[in-house]
Amino acid sequence: ETGVTQTPRHLVMGMTNKKSLKCEQHLGHNAMYWYKQSAKKPLELMFVYSLEERVENNSVPSRFSPECPNSSHLFLHLHTLQPEDSALYLCASSQDFTYNEQFFGPGTRLTVL
Amino acid sequence: AQSVTQLDSQVPVFEEAPVELRCNYSSSVSVYLFWYVQYPNQGLQLLLKYLSGSTLVKSINGFEAEFNKSQTSFHLRKPSVHISDTAEYFCAVSEVGGAQKLVFGQGTRLTINP
Repeated sequence: ETGVTQTPRHLVMGMTNKKSLKCEQHLGHNAMYWYKQSAKKPLELMFVYSLEERVENNSVPSRFSPECPNSSHLFLHLHTLQPEDSALYLCASSQDFTYNEQFFGPGTRLTVL
Repeated sequence: AQSVTQLDSQVPVFEEAPVELRCNYSSSVSVYLFWYVQYPNQGLQLLLKYLSGSTLVKSINGFEAEFNKSQTSFHLRKPSVHISDTAEYFCAVSEVGGAQKLVFGQGTRLTINP
């Protein structure tokens, strides 16, 4: 695998389910990001991790819970989501938190019923 | 805080025609500027970037963008588009010397008609 990978690519879940999104980067980067991409809206930065420490949390509801066990892996744990949380969730990485180029994964298309 | 405005949500053009996708930004400090492209069912890929130096930057597939500080713009152009250029294009900005926080525009969907 090369670049940034995300699994699953598609996920359908009910509002009472608990699921997790996984992101893995194979670039040796130290910073990782979660974005939400909704139709007709700009990308929204959700979380930023630098060297496994969370450095930014943009007022994201607590039903989204990130986890970064090491610099290569990033998870987004989901529970009791709402239909308006349906979106494409994109993971990205960069060399470090101050480096200006981010590399994106293909995204997970999430549908909440 | 920075903001980015992409003035056109959709741009339809014919194959081999020229195209310009407009991007304006607002910031109280110096910025880095980026164009990302998102092909159907894929993530974002960096197309080109302006960090410093020459205000005209080019990609390997024929796109170019020019940083215009006085007009706070970073428009993307291609003299002759191809069907394979059909995608969504995002302009983004980040602060020089600040934490790497990309602020994105709403995106422009470029549709190439044969």
